[in-house]
Amino acid sequence: DTAVSQTPKYLVTQMGNDKSIKCEQNLGHDTMYWYKQDSKKFLKIMFSYNNKELIINETVPNRFSPKSPDKAHLNLHINSLELGDSAVYFCASSQVLRLAGQETQYFGPGTRLLVL
Amino acid sequence: KQEVTQIPAALSVPEGENLVLNCSFTDSAIYNLQWFRQDPGKGLTSLLLIQSSQREQTSGRLNASLDKSSGRSTLYIAASQPGDSATYLCAVTPKAAGNKLTFGGGTRVLVKP
Repeated sequence: DTAVSQTPKYLVTQMGNDKSIKCEQNLGHDTMYWYKQDSKKFLKIMFSYNNKELIINETVPNRFSPKSPDKAHLNLHINSLELGDSAVYFCASSQVLRLAGQETQYFGPGTRLLVL
Repeated sequence: KQEVTQIPAALSVPEGENLVLNCSFTDSAIYNLQWFRQDPGKGLTSLLLIQSSQREQTSGRLNASLDKSSGRSTLYIAASQPGDSATYLCAVTPKAAGNKLTFGGGTRVLVKP
């Protein structure tokens, strides 16, 4: 039973294309995230959704559009892909608790995107 | 702006030796600090979470300390094994940023048999 799953695992595409990455969690969490890990292995948050509402939007180009059809899913659509979009994209989820600071985020296996 | 630094970037030790991984952060106003493990081609696995009010957390051979005032955390792994080879990431949740984790660059560990 995979707690946080992502599809596809690998994605190779040409510049200018539009692609989507899907994420699903079966943990019953109310918050989901997208992170980007670049070639230097730095992980940075991109977006966060709580109960289908966008709560964090880091300065990400508007070519990136997250969509949360329900609490268990957070998809990432990328328009007009550029070479610099090549990275590993991780989805994560957590349950926001009343006392802040106790949540652990659970990460998916990542989607390796290569833009040629 | 919160910055998280991990030194060294890479570490190689013989099996059986204790591992000491360092993490420093610039802003002490945090909710918690977490240590994660990342295996090649895999996602992140949470190892330990230390709340800001705590000084340390232990799980098996792992022990993590937190000194919030000096902006430091140390992850100790006792009696290292080849299976401990991975990249270890620390991350803080700044109070000013809701539940947004800020990660360090990681320490890549190799335990040689």
